[in-house]
Amino acid sequence: DTAVSQTPKYLVTQMGNDKSIKCEQNLGHDTMYWYKQDSKKFLKIMFSYNNKELIINETVPNRFSPKSPDKAHLNLHINSLELGDSAVYFCASSQEVQIYEQYFGPGTRLTVT
Amino acid sequence: GESVGLHLPTLSVQEGDNSIINCAYSNSASDYFIWYKQESGKGPQFIIDIRSNMDKRQGQRVTVLLNKTVKHLSLQIAATQPGDSAVYFCAENKSGYALNFGKGTSLLVTP
Repeated sequence: DTAVSQTPKYLVTQMGNDKSIKCEQNLGHDTMYWYKQDSKKFLKIMFSYNNKELIINETVPNRFSPKSPDKAHLNLHINSLELGDSAVYFCASSQEVQIYEQYFGPGTRLTVT
Repeated sequence: GESVGLHLPTLSVQEGDNSIINCAYSNSASDYFIWYKQESGKGPQFIIDIRSNMDKRQGQRVTVLLNKTVKHLSLQIAATQPGDSAVYFCAENKSGYALNFGKGTSLLVTP
């Protein structure tokens, strides 16, 4: 009964490639997020969607494009991968926009070589 | 800029002792604070939260204290257990309904 799931768990790819990470939540939540965690464990918000609409877009390169086909899914597509994109990417969800208790997925470790 | 930070990057405590993890914040407009626990290889997990109109909130073995005067937040864990070993993050709400996370404190519980 995984609440927030992400695939893949590990992703190793070369610079310049395009890759996608998928996220699904079965909690019935309206709001979903993408976070990036660097090697020093610093967690930073990237995007947030509420009912399939983008509500937060932090200063993220436009090589990163989130897509929400429905409110249970929020995928992250990354074009032209760079070494600095190596990190752990976490998907999260919350009941609604102003409910800050967020449920996190297990993370996707992206390594760009 | 506005930020949430932690006083100590690592904390080592003996099993059974109480742990205190501290956090300083600089955004006086924040009205919601939350603590997360992240075990190795897993995503952050909600522990406890507190709103700015409170100065203390208790959960199961955990207590969060908020001192708005000095913009300080702490997480107290009673009778620390090996399963409490993890990285702990404090976070504050920021504009646009996002959470601004601090840098994290690694808690190591020794037998």
